[in-house]
Amino acid sequence: DAKTTQPPSMDCAEGRAANLPCNHSTISGNEYVYWYRQIHSQGPQYIIHGLKNNETNEMASLIITEDRKSSTLILPHATLRDTAVYYCIVSGYNFNKFYFGSGTKLNVKP
Amino acid sequence: GAVVSQHPSWVICKSGTSVKIECRSLDFQATTMFWYRQFPKQSLMLMATSNEGSKATYEQGVEKDKFLINHASLTLSTLTVTSAHPEDSSFYICSARGDTYSNQPQHFGDGTRLSIL
Repeated sequence: DAKTTQPPSMDCAEGRAANLPCNHSTISGNEYVYWYRQIHSQGPQYIIHGLKNNETNEMASLIITEDRKSSTLILPHATLRDTAVYYCIVSGYNFNKFYFGSGTKLNVKP
Repeated sequence: GAVVSQHPSWVICKSGTSVKIECRSLDFQATTMFWYRQFPKQSLMLMATSNEGSKATYEQGVEKDKFLINHASLTLSTLTVTSAHPEDSSFYICSARGDTYSNQPQHFGDGTRLSIL
């Protein structure tokens, strides 16, 4: 499975959009990009996933570049409750196993 | 929808005992379940994959005789940590997915914090 690279931490002002980048330059043709977040001492929460088209749901938007080598998760109006570690995962083979990277710690500040 | 429940959420036990953790999918049938462990300030590490009615597949370096996994039904998987020692203390998290080969996301439980004294 492809590896992902994310910045270790980011800050965002409350009410502003949070844009979290992820690099997955070795992604294969049928591998999907998944985004999860983990709030302290809880299990990861599913946010969104996509293959090559941009996706949007009630939580976030996912923008995948045309070459699929990187993606950006957008939280349109960040709140203090969005403070968490965000994980970008690429998977598609072998029972769709997830191998978590280090993630990005998003700090939303008032 | 897609709720996964883990029990217990927290357990403390003496060294040498065995501990069983349950993972249930409450509103869907989980063809595939996964078990992870997470140490403080680290990311999740996949331990094993289990499909209902089949033996679990363990990741490299995970002792299958130490971490027994049973996936006897489409809604329940159990992880038993046998003869637990302090180094087994960790946060154990399960996830489940309805289809084995689809791109549908995994849904995670809220984890079990295991402390071995």
